[in-house]
Amino acid sequence: SSDLTQDPAVSVSLGQTVTITCQGDSLRSYFASWYQQKPGQAPVLVLYGTNKRPSGIPDRFSASNSGTTASLTITGAQAEDEADYYCNSRDRSAKFWVFGGGTKLTVL
Amino acid sequence: QVQLQQWGAGLLKPSETLSLTCGVSDDSLSHLFWVWIRQSPGRGLEWMGEVNHRGSTNYKPSLRTRMTMSIDTSTRQFSLKLTSLTVADTGVYFCARSGPMGAFDVWGPGSQVIVSS
Repeated sequence: SSDLTQDPAVSVSLGQTVTITCQGDSLRSYFASWYQQKPGQAPVLVLYGTNKRPSGIPDRFSASNSGTTASLTITGAQAEDEADYYCNSRDRSAKFWVFGGGTKLTVL
Repeated sequence: QVQLQQWGAGLLKPSETLSLTCGVSDDSLSHLFWVWIRQSPGRGLEWMGEVNHRGSTNYKPSLRTRMTMSIDTSTRQFSLKLTSLTVADTGVYFCARSGPMGAFDVWGPGSQVIVSS
């Protein structure tokens, strides 16, 4: 089984709030990072650590953690938020890095 | 803002060796970890391995026997070699910087690699 598990697809209506989750045992001990990837482009880091956003990432993106689940929330989703989102953290052994399978976000 | 450039061969045959290089625009190669990540067609991201400025490496176990990463701080470059290629190695290969809390905060543009006979 995968070290980090994400729902394959999620949809949200324009302007509404959506949460994308990432589950894995390693998340009890390590923070997840979150990446946004649009077609044909390299991924972009959007969240890391407790709830940190790199420069230029809108504050409608936020992160939270609870037990073995990390979450990315978009409050007031915009059309430009439609993309694939990947979580990333340590694997079960804590020696290597792994990605979740990705969640395709559709903004309706 | 640091930028990463990538170059290397894109069309290879099975059993050949992939060589990719990533150039770093500032002196941050002298600290932090640097990684290679790949993405197979229509699939998710796969962390392959990392190297630090001292040349210490850490590879994904399933790739360890075929993979070599190296670093040259004098030229601000780090590299990937992947041997014994198969069609399953086809995909886009990204270099990236492992920054705060291990987050991959800077990415290269990606290199398309096709393995086909």
